[in-house]
Amino acid sequence: QKEVEQDPGPLSVPEGAIVSLNCTYSNSAFQYFMWYRQYSRKGPELLMYTYSSGNKEDGRFTAQVDKSSKYISLFIRDSQPSDSATYLCAMKRNQGGKLIFGQGTELSVKP
Amino acid sequence: DAGVIQSPRHEVTEMGQEVTLRCKPISGHDYLFWYRQTMMRGLELLIYFNNNVPIDDSGMPEDRFSAKMPNASFSTLKIQPSEPRDSAVYFCASSWGTESGANVLTFGAGSRLTVL
Repeated sequence: QKEVEQDPGPLSVPEGAIVSLNCTYSNSAFQYFMWYRQYSRKGPELLMYTYSSGNKEDGRFTAQVDKSSKYISLFIRDSQPSDSATYLCAMKRNQGGKLIFGQGTELSVKP
Repeated sequence: DAGVIQSPRHEVTEMGQEVTLRCKPISGHDYLFWYRQTMMRGLELLIYFNNNVPIDDSGMPEDRFSAKMPNASFSTLKIQPSEPRDSAVYFCASSWGTESGANVLTFGAGSRLTVL
């Protein structure tokens, strides 16, 4: 079993829809939770990160962490065609520099 | 800052040849990571360095792979001999932080390797 599980999609939504992206994990030692966005043929870029449980909002994006369920989510409100990309969740323990990534979910927002 | 610089962007080689991928991290970053991305396996950590010292190489697939960081501004990932199953996009990333910190990575554009 992988440490981090993420549905690869693809996920296709109409412009303006609310998008929900999710990851589950098995290692309770993970404390840092991140979402990266990767456009086609580019490197991943950090979108948001949270420490431990709770919510974090940044514009149209909201990240949620539920450590009791080992489940994290990224919500995108009022989705735009420019949001079309692959979204990767990533996690890290308190100790050690290793960042573990999910498989990535490919999102397409249709105009 | 120009960001993390990787070269070459594309490499096509034949099975058995040596491949060397290069990375220049962001100045001031003390962590450097090499990842490999494929459709089947996603983004996998191969090795990471802290202050030029390899910390964890448990993701290096086999002895054909080696990585070095001779100084704070340069790292190489070498595959010798290369095999078709090594075909992937190889990413270098760097960060500033501590072992117990967030380690927010900045990625390069990647080196797309095709082994025929």
